[in-house]
Amino acid sequence: KAGVTQTPRYLIKTRGQQVTLSCSPISGHRSVSWYQQTPGQGLQFLFEYFSETQRNKGNFPGRFSGRQFSNSRSEMNVSTLELGDSALYLCASSPVRGGPYEQYFGPGTRLTVT
Amino acid sequence: KQEVTQIPAALSVPEGENLVLNCSFTDSAIYNLQWFRQDPGKGLTSLLLIQSSQREQTSGRLNASLDKSSGRSTLYIAASQPGDSATYLCAVLTGANNLFFGTGTRLTVIP
Repeated sequence: KAGVTQTPRYLIKTRGQQVTLSCSPISGHRSVSWYQQTPGQGLQFLFEYFSETQRNKGNFPGRFSGRQFSNSRSEMNVSTLELGDSALYLCASSPVRGGPYEQYFGPGTRLTVT
Repeated sequence: KQEVTQIPAALSVPEGENLVLNCSFTDSAIYNLQWFRQDPGKGLTSLLLIQSSQREQTSGRLNASLDKSSGRSTLYIAASQPGDSATYLCAVLTGANNLFFGTGTRLTVIP
């Protein structure tokens, strides 16, 4: 069974631009979560989608948004990029919400904002 | 708010040594606890998952324990190898279905 895939793997953007990152969960997994990893803040939860609905959101500004499609694939969008948005963005999938299931992570998208 | 702490932040050991990594969390209302490994610039690899009702899990040279009431978990690595060098992260899953991560322990195993 294929793992979690994320595209693109690397991105370089300029301040003020917007960016869209994509995540394809493991087949059959319906919950997709997004995390931001920076050297200063570590790994922080962005949001979670389940059945095409955002179920939970972390403490990030409204410039960070996402969506989930009927096939469980998810995208996250960051508008008006700032230098501080440079980070590794990771998505994770699990079969359902909560409970005894592992979260499986993709390889991440490395975003650099210049 | 859940806070997860890992001690030590960095650890350097000679090859073959057994070692213990520590993780503590402030809110015992968790679904499970996962230990991950992260190599530089890479994503997270899940090592062990302990359900909130379990006390420990083992996989090969790895053994993780959980004491939910005291908010503590340990990851024991036996007979360490240079390939074990990585950052180890623990994370707790809450009812809101998001993982709270510790800051990690950077492990270096010296040949």
